Amino acid sequence: DTGVSQDPRHKITKRGQNVTFRCDPISEHNRLYWYRQTLGQGPEFLTYFQNEAQLEKSRLLSDRFSAERPKGSFSTLEIQRTEQGDSAMYLCASSGTGRTGELFFGEGSRLTVL
Amino acid sequence: AQSVTQPDIHITVSEGASLELRCNYSYGATPYLFWYVQSPGQGLQLLLKYFSGDTLVQGIKGFEAEFKRSQSSFNLRKPSVHWSDAAEYFCAVAARLGNEKLTFGTGTRLTIIP
Repeated sequence: DTGVSQDPRHKITKRGQNVTFRCDPISEHNRLYWYRQTLGQGPEFLTYFQNEAQLEKSRLLSDRFSAERPKGSFSTLEIQRTEQGDSAMYLCASSGTGRTGELFFGEGSRLTVL
Repeated sequence: AQSVTQPDIHITVSEGASLELRCNYSYGATPYLFWYVQSPGQGLQLLLKYFSGDTLVQGIKGFEAEFKRSQSSFNLRKPSVHWSDAAEYFCAVAARLGNEKLTFGTGTRLTIIP
């Protein structure tokens, strides 16, 4: 399977713990995105990488959130001191260098904070 | 800033019947418009997109959408639905291409009855 993969698919944690999600984009894609989707809502943009550079961050991304993309390949999204409001599906997507507008999404990582 | 409204939270259609899902957008300039589908356990998949030109665009799985600037709408249609079309459908808008920072609507859940 050469699609976008995310790990873990589901994470249950206690409030105050740190969690990290990993995303492996389609190998030839240089752009990588993180979105968050809460119940009954559409995905909301969090951040965007072009190669290893983080070019844009939403104000939804508080200082407890950090995303990295070392070497421009896989990416990690870390949430420190989790809160119950962080419970959501975290979606990763990638796209190529063209201006096609198409994002290729992974299946998401569901976070439940108890 | 751009926004998207999907007025129907849930639609139920009989198999073989026609379908129309509504989408209204708010954006000052000509938007880049998309429809994505999210099936259970799967990542979001692009159905179709509109950038410019012919206002009736064809997509995958027999779907089409029509861009109406005067109504700020981009409704999704299918002449005859199949049970496999049951899913969540999201309309999205982007201000520019090359950085697919999409603004999604809240989605419409489609249920198909035999």
